[in-house]
Amino acid sequence: QKEVEQDPGPLSVPEGAIVSLNCTYSNSAFQYFMWYRQYSRKGPELLMYTYSSGNKEDGRFTAQVDKSSKYISLFIRDSQPSDSATYLCAMFKSGGSNYKLTFGKGTLLTVNP
Amino acid sequence: EAGVTQFPSHSVIEKGQTVTLRCDPISGHDNLYWYRRVMGKEIKFLLHFVKESKQDESGMPNNRFLAERTGGTYSTLKVQPAELEDSGVYFCASSQDRQGFYGYTFGSGTRLTVV
Repeated sequence: QKEVEQDPGPLSVPEGAIVSLNCTYSNSAFQYFMWYRQYSRKGPELLMYTYSSGNKEDGRFTAQVDKSSKYISLFIRDSQPSDSATYLCAMFKSGGSNYKLTFGKGTLLTVNP
Repeated sequence: EAGVTQFPSHSVIEKGQTVTLRCDPISGHDNLYWYRRVMGKEIKFLLHFVKESKQDESGMPNNRFLAERTGGTYSTLKVQPAELEDSGVYFCASSQDRQGFYGYTFGSGTRLTVV
């Protein structure tokens, strides 16, 4: 079983739609959670991070973490064509000297005008 | 502020040849990471430098891969000899803090194709 599971999509939505992207994880040692956005031929760019259960909002983006279910989500409101990209969840474990990120496969999102 | 720079952006080599990838981190960032994405798979950690020291190299696939960071500035990742399964996109990232999630900046990657 993979440590982090993410549906690769692809996901296609009309402009203005609410988008929901999700990841599940199997190891409760993961304590820090991130969402990255990656445009084609570019490196991942950090969108949001959180370390506690609950919601965190930043503009049109909301990150949600449910540690009891080992489930994280990213919601995009009023989606725009410029949001078209691959969205990657990533996480790492607390403690020790291990700072490596574990990524999901990424979900390819297309927002159609 | 200049970002993380990687070159070449693209490399096509034959099986058995040697390739060296280079990463220039953001100036002043002590932490430098290498990651790799093989087609169809997730991005996976290779190793982590703190200045010139290897903090964690648990993700390095085998001894055909050699990473260096002389002087704690730029880093190189050498693959010798290259095999077909080494094809993928190699990302470098840097950060000021060890945990990295406040300022973990990735480069655009080097796309390596071994034929």
